Amino acid sequence: AQSVTQLGSHVSVSEGALVLLRCNYSSSVPPYLFWYVQYPNQGLQLLLKYTTGATLVKGINGFEAEFKKSETSFHLTKPSAHMSDAAEYFCAVSPISGYSTLTFGKGTMLLVSP
Amino acid sequence: ETGVTQSPTHLIKTRGQQVTLRCSSQSGHNTVSWYQQALGQGPQFIFQYYREEENGRGNFPPRFSGLQFPNYSSELNVNALELDDSALYLCASSLGSANTGELFFGEGSRLTVL
Repeated sequence: AQSVTQLGSHVSVSEGALVLLRCNYSSSVPPYLFWYVQYPNQGLQLLLKYTTGATLVKGINGFEAEFKKSETSFHLTKPSAHMSDAAEYFCAVSPISGYSTLTFGKGTMLLVSP
Repeated sequence: ETGVTQSPTHLIKTRGQQVTLRCSSQSGHNTVSWYQQALGQGPQFIFQYYREEENGRGNFPPRFSGLQFPNYSSELNVNALELDDSALYLCASSLGSANTGELFFGEGSRLTVL
């Protein structure tokens, strides 16, 4: 069975500061890895994903994440936070075979102060 | 290209009642997945439909059932509603059942059970 742990239900940063949202996964084999963002009263939007190849992946809105197999981690970063980044962020995993299903973490709410 | 649309956006039911939620998939997508997102939690996989057949199911009881129609739209039915069924129900569509992680989510149907 796969599982995802997101450290910190809330993360607060100042505008312009580095954003770091942590995600660790548990899986018998390395899964596919994703970050989704959810703005208030909206559905989930894919930020970025890792399937194969380069372990540093870049996504939309200046976000990137690095897959570290040895640490079973897939932390999300952004060099400089913007007020519009305030939202809830979900890390998710899925098996590399079989049908497409996502196992999500509990989410991290990113708060950005001026 | 139209995105994933869900209806209704909000509804209130009482314990023991039945509810039907509807989803229109993104144009060209033949796979629909349903997720339940309880307050403060990440989405949990309910089931997936591919070409009108249930293609996979999460850890939900049989009173959660679904349908997919020839136009790939889908319904989620929940019988004998319980208080814990109160949640945001998210529909996601994708092209093909093979896992690419490219799920496109609707804005959800928020169900309150009193």
